[in-house]
Amino acid sequence: EPEVTQTPSHQVTQMGQEVILRCVPISNHLYFYWYRQILGQKVEFLVSFYNNEISEKSEIFDDQFSVERPDGSNFTLKIRSTKLEDSAMYFCASRPGTGNTGELFFGEGSRLTVL
Amino acid sequence: AQSVTQLDSQVPVFEEAPVELRCNYSSSVSVYLFWYVQYPNQGLQLLLKYLSGSTLVKGINGFEAEFNKSQTSFHLRKPSVHISDTAEYFCAVSRMNRDDKIIFGKGTRLHILP
Repeated sequence: EPEVTQTPSHQVTQMGQEVILRCVPISNHLYFYWYRQILGQKVEFLVSFYNNEISEKSEIFDDQFSVERPDGSNFTLKIRSTKLEDSAMYFCASRPGTGNTGELFFGEGSRLTVL
Repeated sequence: AQSVTQLDSQVPVFEEAPVELRCNYSSSVSVYLFWYVQYPNQGLQLLLKYLSGSTLVKGINGFEAEFNKSQTSFHLRKPSVHISDTAEYFCAVSRMNRDDKIIFGKGTRLHILP
């Protein structure tokens, strides 16, 4: 069964460093999302992406964040200068462009630890 | 805007007992409703979803949920829980017929007691 894959599964970085989290959505999906889950808290929407541009972003998604689809398969989240409070699990999700049933398909997540 | 309320942050229940996890939503437009499960150290997996039609929806692992429009609720139930059901359960909502994000509740941790 096709699935969303994310790398790395865990990354440890120093405060102020740049981090890139990578996602390979399901191949025929057209809508892509990033969510964040701080330890023990709710899953929060960060950004949605369609047709090579951001379609919606939350107030969490400030100028230090960016997303990109550099080729036909990868979808990346870049955090330019990490802060301690960026430590969280980051989930990538995707959905098809047609036959929309509302469901998002999530990856296993990338745990980011900022020291 | 849509929102989801899960009043119970934790629910302890004995193995083989029934369980209900409560979810209420708020929206000015029609919505799709979901329950996702997150097992320890894993990602989010869809348990079940309500799109339209029958208000009782059945999902994986013996779970079911009932959509109640008048009470704006979508409670999750299972008649007999197993130790393997230990997980965090998230209720979620998205706008109907829109290519839209999903908004999650705060989650309910189901703790199965032996």
